Order: sequence, then C-alpha cells, then structure tokens
Amino acid sequence: EDKVVQSPLSLVVHEGDTVTLNCSYEVTNFRSLLWYKQEKKAPTFLFMLTSSGIEKKSGRLSSILDKKELFSILNITATQTGDSAVYLCAVSAGGTSYGKLTFGQGTILTVHP
Amino acid sequence: DVKVTQSSRYLVKRTGEKVFLECVQDMDHENMFWYRQDPGLGLRLIYFSYDVKMKEKGDIPEGYSVSREKKERFSLILESASTNQTSMYLCASTPGGRLHEQYFGPGTRLTVT
Repeated sequence: EDKVVQSPLSLVVHEGDTVTLNCSYEVTNFRSLLWYKQEKKAPTFLFMLTSSGIEKKSGRLSSILDKKELFSILNITATQTGDSAVYLCAVSAGGTSYGKLTFGQGTILTVHP
Repeated sequence: DVKVTQSSRYLVKRTGEKVFLECVQDMDHENMFWYRQDPGLGLRLIYFSYDVKMKEKGDIPEGYSVSREKKERFSLILESASTNQTSMYLCASTPGGRLHEQYFGPGTRLTVT
C-alpha cells in the first residue's frame, strides 16, 4: 500500500523565520511528488518534482526531491502571515495506480506577526 | 482558468438519508476525482473516473458510489449516510495525460447527524 508521511504535523513560527517541511514516501512505481498549499478551501498546486536533486523554486518557496532516500522537503524563507496554511504532499504512481494521488496528512503552518 | 464547482459548501443530513454531492468542471477534463479530508488523515481518494460512464475505486470506496453520465459532471452518492461520513469532500479534475495537475473544487463540508 502506498504511503506518504509528512512532518511536522503542525508548526508555529514568527514572520521572517525560515521553515522546512518534510515529506517521506513509500510508493510502488513512483512517477512524481507534488506539493499543494491549502488555505481556507481548495488546495492549490505549488510544485511537481520528478527528478532527484533538482530544486524547484518559486519566490520564497523551494522544494527538492531525493529519490534514493524517498523524501522531499519544502522550504519557505522569510515567512509571512500569508504563508499560514496547510501544506500537502502527494505522490503519483504509475502501473495499476496510474492517475491516483496518495496524500500525506498535511503540515499546518501558522505564521505569527 | 480551470473552474471546478461543487453544488454546496455546507450540507447537513440525517443518518440514513441518501446524499448527492455534485461536481462540475468547465475545462473538458477527462479525469475527475472525489476525496474526503479529515483532520490528521489528509486527503483520501474515494472514487475516480477517466471517462464518461467509467469509474474506479479509490482507497476508501465503502459506503459511496459515483455517477459520471456527462464529461463535465461527477456525482458522489452516499446511499445511506452515517455519522462517520461527516467530513470535508473535495472534487478534483485533470486533463488527460496530466494526471498530476489536479484542480480542486472549493469543497463541501457534510455533517451527518
């Protein structure tokens, strides 16, 4: 059974701090790992990672995948109150699981002013 | 922009009632998904569909059924609602061949009393 585990489950920081969110996975026929940000409603897509060691970056957010150790990290630098959200990690698989995403539990990030 | 809409944001039903949750997408996407989201458990896939009249079980299909009579619409049915189906339900759609890019609807928070 495919499994995705995120840590920590929740995190409270102050504006300006840097945070690192972790995602480890066990998936048969791995295709890609995705990060989503969920504020009050629907998750919104942040990154997709397929290759090991290549950093994806968007403003203050960056992410990297390690396919050997089966994990990914999401970094947020100079956090702002608008970064407060649930961050979801998901893995897509091929084979008979093609098209399915397996999600982790999410990390609740709270950024205080 | 892709738009995924769900018929209700909040719904309260009684135990034993039949419940219909509707999802409509306007981008001609082939693939549609139903998830439920519970604290500490992340998003879990209930059912998905690759095409009209096609459906596949996800990880937790028990107690649910689905219907896809038209490409743009994917319905989730709770045949006899139970209190353990109280949850946030999220619908998503993706274009064919880009199954990792899931566009989510705003969610329906269902309470079964």
